[in-house]
Amino acid sequence: EPEVTQTPSHQVTQMGQEVILRCVPISNHLYFYWYRQILGQKVEFLVSFYNNEISEKSEIFDDQFSVERPDGSNFTLKIRSTKLEDSAMYFCASNNPGRDYNEQFFGPGTRLTVL
Amino acid sequence: GDSVTQMEGPVTLSEEAFLTINCTYTATGYPSLFWYVQYPGEGLQLLLKATKADDKGSNKGFEATYRKETTSFHLEKGSVQVSDSAVYFCALGGRSKIIFGSGTRLSIQP
Repeated sequence: EPEVTQTPSHQVTQMGQEVILRCVPISNHLYFYWYRQILGQKVEFLVSFYNNEISEKSEIFDDQFSVERPDGSNFTLKIRSTKLEDSAMYFCASNNPGRDYNEQFFGPGTRLTVL
Repeated sequence: GDSVTQMEGPVTLSEEAFLTINCTYTATGYPSLFWYVQYPGEGLQLLLKATKADDKGSNKGFEATYRKETTSFHLEKGSVQVSDSAVYFCALGGRSKIIFGSGTRLSIQP
């Protein structure tokens, strides 16, 4: 069964460094998302992306964050200058506008640790 | 805005006990409702869903019914197993975004 994949599984970085988290959504999906989960807390929506542009973003998704679909398969989240509070699990998700139009399929997550 | 409130945890039960995790929601439209499960060290897995009022979602012995009149989507299972130990998230939404509750940690003792 097709699934969303994410790399790396764990990323450690120094405060102030740039990080890029990568996702490969399910191949025929058209809507893409990033969520984050700070340790022990709830999962929070960051951004949705469709037709090569941002559809919606939360107030968490400030100027330090950007997303890109650089080719036909990858979907990336960039954090320009990481802060300690960016430490979290980041989940990518994708959606198929067909049969399961209201369901998002989640990847396994990337754990980001900012030191 | 839309929101989800679910029962605080942790919940500790003995094996074969009956499980209920309460979830209520606030929404302006008619969103789909979901239960996700997160096993230790893993990502989010969709457990079940319901897309309209009175729909019942079910999977792996878990059930939840979309109740518009009480704005609820309580998760139930008749007989829990140790392997059900995980964090359970109630959620609403659909294609635009999914809004999650705070999660309920469930621990099943043998």
